[in-house]
Amino acid sequence: EIVLTQTPLSSPVTLGQPASISCRSSQSLLHSDGNTYLSWLQQRPGQPPRLLIYKISNRFSGVPDRFSGSGAGTDFTLKISRVEAEDVGVYYCMQATQFPRTFGQGTKVEIK
Amino acid sequence: EVHLVESGGGLVQPGGSLRLSCAASGFTFSSYWMHWVRQDPGKGLVWVSRIDNDGSSTSYVGSVKGRFTISRDNAKNTLYLQMNSLRVEDTAVYYCARDPGTGAKYHDYWGQGTLVTVSS
Repeated sequence: EIVLTQTPLSSPVTLGQPASISCRSSQSLLHSDGNTYLSWLQQRPGQPPRLLIYKISNRFSGVPDRFSGSGAGTDFTLKISRVEAEDVGVYYCMQATQFPRTFGQGTKVEIK
Repeated sequence: EVHLVESGGGLVQPGGSLRLSCAASGFTFSSYWMHWVRQDPGKGLVWVSRIDNDGSSTSYVGSVKGRFTISRDNAKNTLYLQMNSLRVEDTAVYYCARDPGTGAKYHDYWGQGTLVTVSS
């Protein structure tokens, strides 16, 4: 089973400042079909998860462009260029390269 | 608009059974893989199971293999999760999620979840 390790687990951020979350995989997420199936999800308090980014860096429909994803192989990053109040919540990375699909532990983003 | 609505959760004793349903609307259900993902209260996400678009292929996380069965009825636009031999550790909110499938492999829409509590 692929283990995803997120850092930090908690990220207090000042409004308008950037935030960055790292996701490290225990093995390469490059699939034999040439795709890397790493996505990022946001879970606001009391809400189900919401897809932000898929296949490392593709923003899902309706996701603000202050969210961006990058990385390759085993190291991936989600960046929020300027944190807004609505960005408070827990962020998860998820891999779908191999079954079982696995999630990172989650990173809580809160406002200082 | 895509809608996924789970139902069937509730309180059940250890060893008991429940069947969860996920009613889909706003898209061509038979064109998408579907998944169940659970979340222990206050904790992280755990992928449970997946079924491909015509139901011919399924996958499960190890902890539920042999106890849970995922299925779908494309005529009724509904996904199911039959859960047998339930354990206390199966207590969680269960979400259904849509997946565009081969070449995509991400969960683009999620339901609101249904709470399953396994307790004596």
